[in-house]
Amino acid sequence: DAKTTQPNSMESNEEEPVHLPCNHSTISGTDYIHWYRQLPSQGPEYVIHGLTSNVNNRMASLAIAEDRKSSTLILHRATLRDAAVYYCILRDPRGNQGGKLIFGQGTELSVKP
Amino acid sequence: EPEVTQTPSHQVTQMGQEVILRCVPISNHLYFYWYRQILGQKVEFLVSFYNNEISEKSEIFDDQFSVERPDGSNFTLKIRSTKLEDSAMYFCASKMGGLTDTQYFGPGTRLTVL
Repeated sequence: DAKTTQPNSMESNEEEPVHLPCNHSTISGTDYIHWYRQLPSQGPEYVIHGLTSNVNNRMASLAIAEDRKSSTLILHRATLRDAAVYYCILRDPRGNQGGKLIFGQGTELSVKP
Repeated sequence: EPEVTQTPSHQVTQMGQEVILRCVPISNHLYFYWYRQILGQKVEFLVSFYNNEISEKSEIFDDQFSVERPDGSNFTLKIRSTKLEDSAMYFCASKMGGLTDTQYFGPGTRLTVL
């Protein structure tokens, strides 16, 4: 699975939008872009995933660059509960039949009241 | 909403003792995983399990580790002879299968080896 690069940390103010970037310049055509987050003292939690088109769900939006070499997770209105480490992970569902997730260091998001 | 559960939440053991960490994956899921996270470090993959056998394991998952699905609901991780460096959070995860890739994680078991 291809490598991703994320900033180590970001800060946001409560109720403001947050844009969390991820670079994945070696992404292959069949890699899906997944985002997970890990709240303090909890297990990782799925946030969103996409392949080419932008995606929205109740938690967040995922904006994928046209060349797919980067993506941005968008939290529209950050809350204190969104303070977590956010992981951008590439997965090819056809390869690696075991399905393991390879976590990097992620971006630690802090949210100020 | 269905969720992955893990027991115990915290396990303290003496070095050299055997421990069994238990997980109940989501009921219609077919793929099961164990990950661990040493304090302050990344989440690391240990092993994946499908169709009653290990489908992939990492180099961390040596002969001291084993996994089992003893019945239709539980998924266990056994560490035969614990070492100090086994102290970590251990997360179980499951996914439905096929091309559905989303994994659902449990809350973790904190293992402390003294």
